[in-house]
Amino acid sequence: EPEVTQTPSHQVTQMGQEVILRCVPISNHLYFYWYRQILGQKVEFLVSFYNNEISEKSEIFDDQFSVERPDGSNFTLKIRSTKLEDSAMYFCASTRTASNYGYTFGSGTRLTVV
Amino acid sequence: DQQVKQNSPSLSVQEGRISILNCDYTNSMFDYFLWYKKYPAEGPTFLISISSIKDKNEDGRFTVFLNKSAKHLSLHIVPSQPGDSAVYFCAASERGYGGSQGNLIFGKGTKLSVKP
Repeated sequence: EPEVTQTPSHQVTQMGQEVILRCVPISNHLYFYWYRQILGQKVEFLVSFYNNEISEKSEIFDDQFSVERPDGSNFTLKIRSTKLEDSAMYFCASTRTASNYGYTFGSGTRLTVV
Repeated sequence: DQQVKQNSPSLSVQEGRISILNCDYTNSMFDYFLWYKKYPAEGPTFLISISSIKDKNEDGRFTVFLNKSAKHLSLHIVPSQPGDSAVYFCAASERGYGGSQGNLIFGKGTKLSVKP
């Protein structure tokens, strides 16, 4: 069964450093998302991406965050200057249509900012 | 402001019995609801969904019921199996007319334990 692949599975970074989280969505999917889950809290929407541009973003997704689809397969989330409160599980997801018929999520990247 | 609420952080059920997971929402503009299951160290896995034009959707052992007037939905698992033990997230979306994309608003999850 097709999967959404995320790398790395765990990233430790120092506060103030830039991190790039990588995702390979399912190949025929057109809509891409980043969500995050701070430990013990709910899964929160960050950003959606379609047709090479951001279609929607949440209040969390401020100027420190950016997304990119640098080639036909990767979808990246960059955090420019990490803060302690950015520590969370970051999930990438993709879907083929706009029907919200159940995204396929990756296994997540655990980001720890120290 | 919690737009999607799962008030029970955990639920324990005997194998073979029914598991009922509940979810309440406050936003009357939500028109699409989903349940996801999550195992440790994995991403959420889509289980079942329901559109606001329906009040029930069934898929094998899983049935989702939607009560729009009460802004309440529930997931029934019958019969429950030990492999169903996971965290279950309720999610909602405003798809809007024409199926425009909306982001998912998740509840905090309910940890289901099915005991053999």
